[in-house]
This record gives sequence, C-alpha cells and structure tokens, in this order.
Amino acid sequence: GAGVSQSPRYKVAKRGQDVALRCDPISGHVSLFWYQQALGQGPEFLTYFQNEAQLDKSGLPSDRFFAERPEGSVSTLKIQRTQQEDSAVYLCASSLAGVLTGELFFGEGSRLTVL
Amino acid sequence: AQRVTQPEKLLSVFKGAPVELKCNYSYSGSPELFWYVQYSRQRLQLLLRHISRESIKGFTADLNKGETSFHLKKPFAQEEDSAMYYCALRPKGKLIFGQGTELSVKP
Repeated sequence: GAGVSQSPRYKVAKRGQDVALRCDPISGHVSLFWYQQALGQGPEFLTYFQNEAQLDKSGLPSDRFFAERPEGSVSTLKIQRTQQEDSAVYLCASSLAGVLTGELFFGEGSRLTVL
Repeated sequence: AQRVTQPEKLLSVFKGAPVELKCNYSYSGSPELFWYVQYSRQRLQLLLRHISRESIKGFTADLNKGETSFHLKKPFAQEEDSAMYYCALRPKGKLIFGQGTELSVKP
C-alpha cells in the first residue's frame, strides 16, 4: 500500500495481558515514530527510530513499553502487563528524511482498550 | 519546558465566517511549527508548516515570535473544514502536539 499501515486496528485486552502493535511504514522511509493518543488529547511522543536504531525513547511511560525495528522497516510496539491507563490510540508515523527534516506521514492508528 | 497550548477545545462557526484557531508555544530556541488536521475517519495529515509561508485550502498561519503564537486563520470557513486541528512544535526532531481544537462549521 501507499501509506503507513498499522495492525491490529482495534485490540481489546484484559488487564495484565501483553499486547503487540505493528507498524508498516512507507517503503524507503528512514524515520519511524510512535505516539500515544488518549481520548480527547493530542498525540504524545513515545519513541523514534532512524533505520533500525532507536535514537529517542524518552516518551515511553514505563519499562512495560518496548519498541523495536530490527531490520529498519517494520516496527513493533509491545506493552507488557497492560493497565487500564494504557487504553489509547497508538499512532505510527514515518518520514523519508532524517529526524530534523521531512513531513511525517501517519497511520490510522491502533486503538487499544484495556478492561 | 517545550509545550504547545491550544486554548479552545471546540470552535463552532457558521459557513462563510472567519476562523482563527489559536496556538501558543513555549520554546527558548528557534521553533519549527506545523498545523496538522484530522478529518472524520481519516488519518492525521500535515496541513501547513511555518517555513513554507504558504496557503493551503485557504488557511494561513503566521509565526509571531514576540507573542510565541502560530494561529491558524481562514477568512471564509467552509463546511468541509470541519475537523480536528492540531498545532505542533518540532524543537529537535520529534513533534510536540497541542491538545487539539475541534472546528465545527455549520451550514
């Protein structure tokens, strides 16, 4: 496809379960970002990759959150032992250029609901 | 602290009326500012960036460093402008978003 693709689009998890959210960036895009968007809020930065290197993970809210991009393309955001406060839309974005330039293209998001 | 503030959660206007969506930022350096828009059931997308100084879909935004503002304006609102609008600051790479303003344009 031409755009950023995220899966699953919707995920319901019981508290304590582990979840994995996948992001397929636009082919050839160097930079990849993860954002968390709670209901009624703007997107909050979680982490950033340039190719396979995770250059900034300052926004990850706890050590239960882990992201990887092993081959510099597809990325997975993993949340361990989910809590109710993790309920949010998780947005992935990619950019052709490096971190200081380039328009971000967003996916449709993965909506996580923790019961 | 680096922060973006959008004071209005909802802005409702009639078609043809002027629109101004407010955005203020907090950043000590030279800022790079953007407006992103999310139409109903669509993904977040770039509307305009301050360095381009362009008009997109009739919208313009001027950076005012003295007032640390980057308000989005359109002289005559259209119904298709109804959407969520997010102001964003990029101090060093990552985007910092405001909380968003929902614009509702009534016929």
